Amino acid sequence: GESVGLHLPTLSVQEGDNSIINCAYSNSASDYFIWYKQESGKGPQFIIDIRSNMDKRQGQRVTVLLNKTVKHLSLQIAATQPGDSAVYFCAENGDDYKLSFGAGTTVTVRA
Amino acid sequence: DAGVTQSPTHLIKTRGQQVTLRCSPKSGHDTVSWYQQALGQGPQFIFQYYEEEERQRGNFPDRFSGHQFPNYSSELNVNALLLGDSALYLCASRRGGAENQPQHFGDGTRLSIL
Repeated sequence: GESVGLHLPTLSVQEGDNSIINCAYSNSASDYFIWYKQESGKGPQFIIDIRSNMDKRQGQRVTVLLNKTVKHLSLQIAATQPGDSAVYFCAENGDDYKLSFGAGTTVTVRA
Repeated sequence: DAGVTQSPTHLIKTRGQQVTLRCSPKSGHDTVSWYQQALGQGPQFIFQYYEEEERQRGNFPDRFSGHQFPNYSSELNVNALLLGDSALYLCASRRGGAENQPQHFGDGTRLSIL
């Protein structure tokens, strides 16, 4: 069955450094992937998405990379700020109707 | 432009009771999905509504049911509540009819079962 997982449950990063959050997926038929950020007491907030016909997409301070060969997804955050502290989820859209989430990576930014 | 709104924000119930949670989708969105998020876990898909019908369902028992209204808002009903139903219930909306559109989430209803 399909599953989405993150390599590390926690990530501590120095303010100003770049962060890289990794995610592995198992459903090779998945064609759409989304990264969400969830702060305490809030719902998941859309960060960036990527379709399977792309291998890289950039947003404001964020870049998502997709490697379909090894079924791996990563989120890079440039110049990490204290406001980036949150739980980050990758989600897989294996069909048109539902998202499958991993357990998340908690990012803590050190001042 | 209002995002996804959910009510209530918090709710406390006892075992065996029934609960109804409400969701208004983001403006311009017609498809609503419900997710259950246990503490420390990622959201788990419950079901999705489009054109007032349940379009797909996750691995949840029949105690979980829903409804979508003509204005696209939605309700999630849970009967015969169990302690294990304690969780954050999230509503997400998107534009239907177009592939690969991101779902946008509300801040959820925190349900506690005593």
